[in-house]
Amino acid sequence: SQELEQSPQSLIVQEGKNLTINCTSSKTLYGLYWYKQKYGEGLIFLMMLQKGGEEKSHEKITAKLDEKKQQSSLHITASQPSHAGIYLCGADSGANSKLTFGKGITLSVRP
Amino acid sequence: KAGVTQTPRYLIKTRGQQVTLSCSPISGHRSVSWYQQTPGQGLQFLFEYFSETQRNKGNFPGRFSGRQFSNSRSEMNVSTLELGDSALYLCASWPGPGYGYTFGSGTRLTVV
Repeated sequence: SQELEQSPQSLIVQEGKNLTINCTSSKTLYGLYWYKQKYGEGLIFLMMLQKGGEEKSHEKITAKLDEKKQQSSLHITASQPSHAGIYLCGADSGANSKLTFGKGITLSVRP
Repeated sequence: KAGVTQTPRYLIKTRGQQVTLSCSPISGHRSVSWYQQTPGQGLQFLFEYFSETQRNKGNFPGRFSGRQFSNSRSEMNVSTLELGDSALYLCASWPGPGYGYTFGSGTRLTVV
């Protein structure tokens, strides 16, 4: 079965700093989804990547998919306290309608 | 448009009881999937329903079951509750390939 490893497990950054978090799959990625979660709440959809080399941006967040490395990265520019939360990557293994998730990365942003 | 609605938000049950959780997807979405989230195991896929049929199932015991109605609303049921069933249960609504999954706020189940 597919496994997703997210690194680092947690991250504390100073407000205004840039940061990058990664998600590596044990199998071929057919679709990679990034979500953000506040503790105990639902998941907020950030971005979906489907093609190798694809890069998407929304506000100050950019996600990339490296098909060869079976890896995706999420980059936040000029972090703000509102970026704090748990970032989860989910992958579609090709079965459609079923996502496997990583353990998540907890991001804290110090004002 | 309205998002994914899960009810109730919180539940406290006793071991051995059963529980039913509800999920109303976004209008027009026919796929509803359920996930269990715990601190130890993270997010795990339970099952997915599409047009009232279970299309995919995760590795959970038969105590976990679900169904979907003709209006796409879905329910999941857990029978003979165990302490380990305490978790945040999330449902996701999906319009189909090429789109993201929209999650509800979840139901926090506590088994005592």
